[in-house]
Amino acid sequence: NAGVIQTPRHKVTGKGQEATLWCEPISGHSAVFWYRQTIVQGLEFLTYFRNQAPIDDSGMPKERFSAQMPNQSHSTLKIQSTQPQDSAVYLCASSRDWGGAEQYFGPGTRLTVL
Amino acid sequence: AQKVIQVWSTASRQEGEELTLDCSYETSQVLYHLFWYKHLLSGEMVFLIRQMSSSTAKERSGRYSVVFQKSLKSISLVISALQPDDSGKYFCALWELLTSGGNYKPTFGKGTSLVVHP
Repeated sequence: NAGVIQTPRHKVTGKGQEATLWCEPISGHSAVFWYRQTIVQGLEFLTYFRNQAPIDDSGMPKERFSAQMPNQSHSTLKIQSTQPQDSAVYLCASSRDWGGAEQYFGPGTRLTVL
Repeated sequence: AQKVIQVWSTASRQEGEELTLDCSYETSQVLYHLFWYKHLLSGEMVFLIRQMSSSTAKERSGRYSVVFQKSLKSISLVISALQPDDSGKYFCALWELLTSGGNYKPTFGKGTSLVVHP
């Protein structure tokens, strides 16, 4: 069991560029979550999928952020027209169910927007 | 307003001591879960222990246990016999079962950084 895999581990983009972050959940887990972690805000929930269907994206900034889960083996978080304030560690987590089960976190992608 | 509050941002103890990390939360939902996670110095975030709102059992997992005071909306993590490897950042998390839609929504506290000295 390789755990949750996130790629890339580090990404540097210029202001206005697009960034796509990838997540491969643990096989057999039905729920996938995306979080953003910063020193100031802490760990912020962005969105989550249950059996590949988007369930709650209330934490997502509406205009430039989007997330997809085209199949059960990967999810993507796309940030268009990146801004310096998007710089953060983006964490992906999966759990075997969507409610009371513990989450397994990936190592995160550190995004730096210059 | 923060829904999950961890008052202490840092803590420091000696090896062998016991530590209690406090967490308070706000919810109007009947059903919810509370979790404690540890962010390791390596960057990994690991699950420690869970408390269900409907449970009166005193949850324990190895050297970790919780003190759940539902009426006070408080859950504390107790770590016994501290070891230097316990150093890291501890997060309290609230999972509310939303009555509209039946979905869970997670909220994390800002964490408490712990240093355990040998």
